[in-house]
Amino acid sequence: ILNVEQSPQSLHVQEGDSTNFTCSFPSSNFYALHWYRWETAKSPEALFVMTLNGDEKKKGRISATLNTKEGYSYLYIKGSQPEDSATYLCAFIAGGYSTLTFGKGTMLLVSP
Amino acid sequence: DTGVSQDPRHKITKRGQNVTFRCDPISEHNRLYWYRQTLGQGPEFLTYFQNEAQLEKSRLLSDRFSAERPKGSFSTLEIQRTEQGDSAMYLCASSLTTGGAANYGYTFGSGTRLTVV
Repeated sequence: ILNVEQSPQSLHVQEGDSTNFTCSFPSSNFYALHWYRWETAKSPEALFVMTLNGDEKKKGRISATLNTKEGYSYLYIKGSQPEDSATYLCAFIAGGYSTLTFGKGTMLLVSP
Repeated sequence: DTGVSQDPRHKITKRGQNVTFRCDPISEHNRLYWYRQTLGQGPEFLTYFQNEAQLEKSRLLSDRFSAERPKGSFSTLEIQRTEQGDSAMYLCASSLTTGGAANYGYTFGSGTRLTVV
């Protein structure tokens, strides 16, 4: 059984604050790590797909880093906006497997 | 192509009834996945298809659940004799086989919210 942990479970910040979340996953047999953003009443949307140790990816104000040796990934949001309010999910694929194992997500609320 | 479509968006059913959900993936995606999400949990894998072949089923998928993907296009997920514990969001996603998991991520539908009363 693959264990993917996310922290914190929820987060409430003010507009303009920067924030970060953590995803931890098994450090052995790593294949890929995905980050998704899931807004209420919408589809989960892929943010990043990361495969190499030390990967850093960026999309606008959102960035992510990956450490496969110690089994963690960070997601950063710079200058949070109310439209960033969503649940952020990370998901792990082990080598030899074809399906994602998700964490429980971090629910972010950004107040104006 | 408008992405992954799921129908219906919401379903309320009485305990013991059968329900069927439909998923239309992105046309060029040959992999199709079903996940289920309950309150406070992340999406949990149920089953996936590559073209029309069902390649993997989770232990979560009891005998009351069956999924099909005839002709490798749309897929249906049927739950027979529904129980209150089946109440959840059922998500469908699709991807390309080659490099899908390592490059592009999955494309998800908006889900079907099932409530069993």
